Amino acid sequence: DAGITQSPRYKITETGRQVTLMCHQTWSHSYMFWYRQDLGHGLRLIYYSAAADITDKGEVPDGYVVSRSKTENFPLTLESATRSQTSVYFCASRPQGSREFFGPGTRLTVL
Amino acid sequence: AQSVTQPDIHITVSEGASLELRCNYSYGATPYLFWYVQSPGQGLQLLLKYFSGDTLVQGIKGFEAEFKRSQSSFNLRKPSVHWSDAAEYFCAVGAQDNNAGNMLTFGGGTRLMVKP
Repeated sequence: DAGITQSPRYKITETGRQVTLMCHQTWSHSYMFWYRQDLGHGLRLIYYSAAADITDKGEVPDGYVVSRSKTENFPLTLESATRSQTSVYFCASRPQGSREFFGPGTRLTVL
Repeated sequence: AQSVTQPDIHITVSEGASLELRCNYSYGATPYLFWYVQSPGQGLQLLLKYFSGDTLVQGIKGFEAEFKRSQSSFNLRKPSVHWSDAAEYFCAVGAQDNNAGNMLTFGGGTRLMVKP
């Protein structure tokens, strides 16, 4: 199916473990984004990518790593998960000059 | 830096009543403005957007919003709320950025509850 998908949809992990959240879009949109959603903060940008092999930090990048070897994929890795990274993570993509299309979200719990 | 404030964390209205959700932004130039809705457990759905032109914009599901430059506001309105409108609403401002185009900054959200 066309669109933007995220996997897993739910994840429980332990402090110190590495976790990778996947994001895949079928539109070949140039831009992709990772946001985290926390109560009272709305959505905050973690990292974004303007094209394959081009990534940059957003508002809250610490503790996260991204890569974009292919246009359609934009994985987000928590190298050593902390409890403060318990959140709902949204991936989004956007073609040039348009607006974001959001994925369904991944709910991550770090114990 | 741009910022967005949604002063009301929770709002409760009766079904059939009118609704206005407030959004104030801070940005040095003409912003791009958005309203998104998020139903429980779901992703974000775009309700409407303002890029330029007519300051009163119409969106989906009977929503509208008015851009008021003098007040730095972009309030969302609906004349008659339906129970299915219960959700969380996010205002967002976008700024031109050479690296990422229209990077979005979101407000903290307003949770709308609808009484029967």
